[in-house]
Amino acid sequence: NAGVTQTPKFQVLKTGQSMTLQCAQDMNHEYMSWYRQDPGMGLRLIHYSVGAGITDQGEVPNGYNVSRSTTEDFPLRLLSAAPSQTSVYFCASSYSFVAEGWYEQYFGPGTRLTVT
Amino acid sequence: SQQGEEDPQALSIQEGENATMNCSYKTSINNLQWYRQNSGRGLVHLILIRSNEREKHSGRLRVTLDTSKKSSSLLITASRAADTASYFCATDQFTGANSKLTFGKGITLSVRP
Repeated sequence: NAGVTQTPKFQVLKTGQSMTLQCAQDMNHEYMSWYRQDPGMGLRLIHYSVGAGITDQGEVPNGYNVSRSTTEDFPLRLLSAAPSQTSVYFCASSYSFVAEGWYEQYFGPGTRLTVT
Repeated sequence: SQQGEEDPQALSIQEGENATMNCSYKTSINNLQWYRQNSGRGLVHLILIRSNEREKHSGRLRVTLDTSKKSSSLLITASRAADTASYFCATDQFTGANSKLTFGKGITLSVRP
């Protein structure tokens, strides 16, 4: 199994450009999430999905869109890049949510994004 | 506001010593998880402890949970240079009908050879 894969590894954008960060998992996980990691801020949840066709907002959703057309893929779209979106982005997946709460998250290697 | 807050922010110890890291949180939780992140890499899950558990072990890791104090600790025994990494606690907190997983800011552990 490849686990959780993310592309690209690095990206530089100019302010106002748009792009899509790709995330795929081959573990048949229902739950997928996008986080951003900034120095001194830890990981903050952007958007998450509990299954194909279902998405919801996290803590910092503004400026980002997501969709979940398949179980395997969960792309993150930056609509109009801003310098404040310079960050490292991580995708994660996990088994289905049950009454006992979120299971362990499997993280991808991250995408380092710089917006100039 | 941050749900899980780790303490200390940074820790430097000698190889062979034990490392203790703490996490405090504010609201009721389903479970608490600890993760490790090596420089430039994604996070790796270490251990999950449920709200009805008090202690869990995994190899050289020992995690305790005190729900009355809303705190958890991660103990790494007989540390190695390879344990050098950032460690994060994540709390699965109740939010009405669902719950969400919230990460702290992390602890930087340096183990000197």
